[in-house]
Amino acid sequence: DAGITQSPRHKVTETGTPVTLRCHQTENHRYMYWYRQDPGHGLRLIHYSYGVKDTDKGEVSDGYSVSRSKTEDFLLTLESATSSQTSVYFCAISPRDAYEQYFGPGTRLTVT
Amino acid sequence: QQPVQSPQAVILREGEDAVINCSSSKALYSVHWYRQKHGEAPVFLMILLKGGEQKGHEKISASFNEKKQQSSLYLTASQLSYSGTYFCGTVNTNAGKSTFGDGTTLTVKP
Repeated sequence: DAGITQSPRHKVTETGTPVTLRCHQTENHRYMYWYRQDPGHGLRLIHYSYGVKDTDKGEVSDGYSVSRSKTEDFLLTLESATSSQTSVYFCAISPRDAYEQYFGPGTRLTVT
Repeated sequence: QQPVQSPQAVILREGEDAVINCSSSKALYSVHWYRQKHGEAPVFLMILLKGGEQKGHEKISASFNEKKQQSSLYLTASQLSYSGTYFCGTVNTNAGKSTFGDGTTLTVKP
């Protein structure tokens, strides 16, 4: 299995508070991605990174920001959490863009 | 543009075969297939690339029809462990990002 972890695994927070989710990999892969998954739906891309300090927006990026200061870490920040951001968040890594992705265990976030 | 998967759900008995389809409205560079069990992360199964390069899973095969912009996943002699939701992810160019379908839920019964 690819060495990829996410923290925290579960979080409950209040509306309006900032939240940061962490993705850590030990594979030294260049590409990293953040997705959200809602019940009955597939994975929707929030942001992705193609190298240290190189990031770009995905299809559902509003209300989210990311940072990647080291190859192994990719942080997702909800600037001011809203109830619509209650979801399961998955981080993924890939050795090459447009190729297979390996997913972390996920973070279940509840915004009350 | 999100790919369309069909069927949405399928129920099988052990030993039966299943086919899951994934269609795109745009030209495809690659198609990825993943299986997700309830409460777990998606797990990579198979990748099909334009031009024919393929990496795969030992008991599952797939096809990629570039002209029809479609891919199909074939699960033969299904086992209980095949149960889960199958997602296809499509990429439209060699520098593009994956877009995932809404998934096909497969249930294998004894």
